[in-house]
Amino acid sequence: GENVEQHPSTLSVQEGDSAVIKCTYSDSASNYFPWYKQELGKGPQLIIDIRSNVGEKKDQRIAVTLNKTAKHFSLHITETQPEDSAVYFCAATLSGAGSYQLTFGKGTKLSVIP
Amino acid sequence: DTGVSQDPRHKITKRGQNVTFRCDPISEHNRLYWYRQTLGQGPEFLTYFQNEAQLEKSRLLSDRFSAERPKGSFSTLEIQRTEQGDSAMYLCASSLRGLQETQYFGPGTRLLVL
Repeated sequence: GENVEQHPSTLSVQEGDSAVIKCTYSDSASNYFPWYKQELGKGPQLIIDIRSNVGEKKDQRIAVTLNKTAKHFSLHITETQPEDSAVYFCAATLSGAGSYQLTFGKGTKLSVIP
Repeated sequence: DTGVSQDPRHKITKRGQNVTFRCDPISEHNRLYWYRQTLGQGPEFLTYFQNEAQLEKSRLLSDRFSAERPKGSFSTLEIQRTEQGDSAMYLCASSLRGLQETQYFGPGTRLLVL
């Protein structure tokens, strides 16, 4: 089955700096890669996703890049703000092939220091 | 708010008791998923429904766990003879069959087994 590794497990940045979280996946057939933000006591909230036919996607301060050859994808947050502090999870799945379970990484706790 | 809702939000029970959780998906979403999340980990897939049919179950779903979605709308997850190892956050997500397949998560039910 799919295995997703996520690094780093914790990340502290100064407000206004950029943050980068990296994930690798094992199943080359995976084609859908969402990123979720989880605040304390809440469920995961989708912040951005990317499909295997796209190399990069951007939404305001958030961007995701995908390298299918290396089986690697990354989340980039620019101009970080204190409200960006949360746990971020990457996930992977083979969408459209009858199995829709997401396999998650172990998460990155991001702290943005004012 | 028309997001995924879960009830109860918190449940404390004694070992050996049965518990039941409810999930109401986003209206018109025909796919519904259950995940389990333990402290410091990403969500792990348990099971998935398309309409009322349970199409996939993880090996994590022991015979003490049963899930239903009787009319293709809300779903219940029951744990019989709870064990301390069942203590976790139980998350429900829903998606609309189609090209996007984005999974939207509810706030979760936090279970503590004493």
